[in-house]
Amino acid sequence: EPEVTQTPSHQVTQMGQEVILRCVPISNHLYFYWYRQILGQKVEFLVSFYNNEISEKSEIFDDQFSVERPDGSNFTLKIRSTKLEDSAMYFCASSETGRGGIGTQYFGPGTRLTVL
Amino acid sequence: KQEVTQIPAALSVPEGENLVLNCSFTDSAIYNLQWFRQDPGKGLTSLLLIQSSQREQTSGRLNASLDKSSGRSTLYIAASQPGDSATYLCAVLPGNTPLVFGKGTRLSVIA
Repeated sequence: EPEVTQTPSHQVTQMGQEVILRCVPISNHLYFYWYRQILGQKVEFLVSFYNNEISEKSEIFDDQFSVERPDGSNFTLKIRSTKLEDSAMYFCASSETGRGGIGTQYFGPGTRLTVL
Repeated sequence: KQEVTQIPAALSVPEGENLVLNCSFTDSAIYNLQWFRQDPGKGLTSLLLIQSSQREQTSGRLNASLDKSSGRSTLYIAASQPGDSATYLCAVLPGNTPLVFGKGTRLSVIA
């Protein structure tokens, strides 16, 4: 069964460093998402991406964050200058259709980001 | 602003018991509701999706219901097994933002 994959599974970085989290969505999906979950808290939406541009973003997704689909398969989340409070599990998701359609979002296994 | 609440926060039951997990949401204007399973330190596995026009969905021992007008959903697990131990998350797709999650119910099924 097709699945969303994410690399790395765990990333440790120093505060102020740039990190890139990678995702490979399910191949026929058109909508891509990033969510994060700080330990012990709810899963929170960061950004959605469709047709090579951001379709929605939350207040969390400030200028330090960016997303890109550099080729036909990868979807990346970049954090330019990490802060301690960026430590969280980051989930990538994809769906075949967007809101109003079938819309089941399939999630990857997550990347645990630890900022020291 | 849409808020999703899940009760109870944690639940421990003996193997074989039938159980119900509850989810409530504040704004009934949703496109769909999704139930997920999360194992410790792992990703989210989609269990069931209910469209706003539907009242329930079933998959194996799982049955999810949706009462949009009252802002409630339940996940029924029949004949629970130790392998069902996990955190169960409810998430709604509102009209103007992607998925809004509850905090989850942590289920332990004791053999």
